[in-house]
Amino acid sequence: DTGVSQNPRHKITKRGQNVTFRCDPISEHNRLYWYRQTLGQGPEFLTYFQNEAQLEKSRLLSDRFSAERPKGSFSTLEIQRTEQGDSAMYLCASSFGFMNTEAFFGQGTRLTVV
Amino acid sequence: AQTVTQSQPEMSVQEAETVTLSCTYDTSESNYYLFWYKQPPSRQMILVIRQEAYKQQNATENRFSVNFQKAAKSFSLKISDSQLGDTAMYFCAFEETSGSRLTFGEGTQLTVNP
Repeated sequence: DTGVSQNPRHKITKRGQNVTFRCDPISEHNRLYWYRQTLGQGPEFLTYFQNEAQLEKSRLLSDRFSAERPKGSFSTLEIQRTEQGDSAMYLCASSFGFMNTEAFFGQGTRLTVV
Repeated sequence: AQTVTQSQPEMSVQEAETVTLSCTYDTSESNYYLFWYKQPPSRQMILVIRQEAYKQQNATENRFSVNFQKAAKSFSLKISDSQLGDTAMYFCAFEETSGSRLTFGEGTQLTVNP
């Protein structure tokens, strides 16, 4: 197991286009998190899953954002009608257990909206 | 809502010396978890050290130790015998015992000079 994997690593898209990112967590990790990180800032929580259930969503996650985790395995984060303000690094993390265990992060997907 | 503040955007230290990174937080919770994460350039975030609020003893991991002052809501990270590989962005993070999300500070960019 090589850790949390995110694809693509970089994405450049035109404003108004839809984009989808994928996260493959560490095997058997039941929790999966999405964060957004803008340049020079700490990551901000977007949403998290416990198995296939999406248990919490941040108010940062507008209607244009949707996340899924079918069958409790990989997860996708889709942004519809991208805006320049969506440009950021999108980080995925996973953990095993039900609370307060170490979260392992992927290398992120850097989105640039032009 | 919890907030985490790192008041030092940048710090530098000479190799082999000791450096302390500051972090303060605000919460009404009595039990929670605190973390320091390290984010090297273009690499994924990794956990450096973690502290459980109900434990009075400060956590230590090899060259890394914390000074946890619960009453003052302060959680500083001390790095001893600094190495070039310690150069990274360091984030302080807070997590409620429910374990649903990490709240990060703005980060401190640490540079270790030879």
